[in-house]
Order: sequence, then C-alpha cells, then structure tokens
Amino acid sequence: TQLLEQSPQFLSIQEGENLTVYCNSSSVFSSLQWYRQEPGEGPVLLVTVVTGGEVKKLKRLTFQFGDARKDSSLHITAAQPGDTGLYLCAGFGTGGSYIPTFGRGTSLIVHP
Amino acid sequence: GAGVSQSPSNKVTEKGKDVELRCDPISGHTALYWYRQRLGQGLEFLIYFQGNSAPDKSGLPSDRFSAERTGESVSTLTIQRTQQEDSAVYLCASTLYTGDWGYTFGSGTRLTVV
Repeated sequence: TQLLEQSPQFLSIQEGENLTVYCNSSSVFSSLQWYRQEPGEGPVLLVTVVTGGEVKKLKRLTFQFGDARKDSSLHITAAQPGDTGLYLCAGFGTGGSYIPTFGRGTSLIVHP
Repeated sequence: GAGVSQSPSNKVTEKGKDVELRCDPISGHTALYWYRQRLGQGLEFLIYFQGNSAPDKSGLPSDRFSAERTGESVSTLTIQRTQQEDSAVYLCASTLYTGDWGYTFGSGTRLTVV
C-alpha cells in the first residue's frame, strides 16, 4: 500500500502570510495531484505534476514535484481568505495505476 | 450535465436500514469512481466503473456495500444494514476515460447513521 503523509495537518495564518504544505511518501509515483476541498463540496483539482523536479505555478500557488517523485510541496504566496480549505495530495503509482492514493490533507484557515 | 451531480446531499438513517446513493457523471465521461471520506481521513477508494467492463470492486469494505452502473450513465451505491461506522461523506468522481487525470468530483452525500 502506498501511503502519502501530509504536513502540517492544520494551519491557521493571517491574510498576507506565505505558507508551504508538504506531501511525502516512501513510494515513487508516476504523477501527483493537488486538490482543494471547501466545506460541503467535493475536491477540486488544482494541478497534476508528472516529471521529477517539475515546478508549476498557478497564480499565487507554486507546486513542486520532488526529483525522486516521492514527494511534493505546495507554496502559497500572500495567502487570502479565499484560500481557506482542505488541501489534498493524491499520487498515481507506477505501472499504469488509475486509482490515486490520497493523503489525509492539510486544513488551512486564512484569517482576514 | 455540466458537473457531477450527487443525491441526496444529506442522508440521516437509522442503524440497520439500507440506503441508496446516486451519482450522475459528466455526460460523455466513461469512467466513474466512488470514494468514502471519513472525518479527518483521506479519500478511501471504493469502486470503479469503466464503460461496460467489469467494475473494480477492490475497495469495497464489506459485502454490505454494492454499486451498479448501467453503461456510461447514472451509478448507485447501496449500503445494506447500515452501521454507525458507515457515517461519512460519499464522493463520486468521473473522468473522460481510464488514465485521464482530470478527475471531477461531485459535492458528495453526507451519510449519518444514528
């Protein structure tokens, strides 16, 4: 079983602060995704990273896939209250797996 | 439809009763997935459908859980003789085809067993 550990579990910050959340595993993934989930809603896909060392930017969000494809990070610059939510990472195993393994998520609250 | 639609959005049921949850995927999406999300937990894979192929049931936690899908349309997840540990949010997702990474999730059904 491939496990994804996310840290921190909870994060409470003020508007304008920067933050980084992490997704780590001992397993190699062919690709990794980040989702944001708001209360009462399903997860919404933010990004998919597929190449070791890849960096993708989505406005104030920067996603990085580790060189060994075992870990990833999400950095948010100048956080806003609208960034509040549960951030989930999900990894697809090697060998053509089509069912991703999800981490437990990082719950982020950004206070105005 | 424009998105994945799930119903009901909330369901409260008594222990021992059967419940049926419905998922209507995005039109044209051939792959459909059911997940369970318990409080403070990640998403737990339950079952996967791809077109008319046999479903992948490897994630179903017990024989009280079953799901059906007719072709590439609506899917229903049935939980028989519900237990309190079945309380969770049940999420459905669809993709255009197997191997497509563009998962679109519905808003889920929050099931509470009392």
